[in-house]
Amino acid sequence: DTGVSQNPRHKITKRGQNVTFRCDPISEHNRLYWYRQTLGQGPEFLTYFQNEAQLEKSRLLSDRFSAERPKGSFSTLEIQRTEQGDSAMYLCASSLAEGWPQHFGDGTRLSIL
Amino acid sequence: GENVEQHPSTLSVQEGDSAVIKCTYSDSASNYFPWYKQELGKGPQLIIDIRSNVGEKKDQRIAVTLNKTAKHFSLHITETQPEDSAVYFCAASMVPDSSYKLIFGSGTRLLVRP
Repeated sequence: DTGVSQNPRHKITKRGQNVTFRCDPISEHNRLYWYRQTLGQGPEFLTYFQNEAQLEKSRLLSDRFSAERPKGSFSTLEIQRTEQGDSAMYLCASSLAEGWPQHFGDGTRLSIL
Repeated sequence: GENVEQHPSTLSVQEGDSAVIKCTYSDSASNYFPWYKQELGKGPQLIIDIRSNVGEKKDQRIAVTLNKTAKHFSLHITETQPEDSAVYFCAASMVPDSSYKLIFGSGTRLLVRP
């Protein structure tokens, strides 16, 4: 059991650029969550997948954000036209099924210049 | 929606002493309460969780208590060690909400002094 893997660990980009993050959940976990964590705060829910279906999106997820989970395995989170306010740690978590504990990856830290 | 408040924001204890972190939640429908430990540069690590049909759960030096009537739950760490130093987050999961998304508190920075 290798745990949740996120890449890249750090991403520095200029305002207005597009960025994409990848999350590989724990094998056989059918639920995958994305959260965002800003400095000094707890993680905030963004969206989640049950297998390949994206079932809920937070109002924090503007139309510049898109997430996919093709084939119900890894997931990608893309941010288009990045803004200063997008600077944060983006965390991915997976769980075996609904109601099971969520296990987090080490996140991707995004810095917008 | 659900709101989780966590106190204190920082806590400093002497090695060997106990540490207690408290959280309150607003939605009485919440029924799952995990606690996470986050070290610098790492993601949150699940350390213990409790469901609403249980009042207390213990795992070695860590215990969690839940008071459904008062809508608060607490993390207790006994015989603290320097490696317990980290940021601790409580969370609540809303039910009936099929997403089981977690609503987090704002965190407690625990410092264990050798």
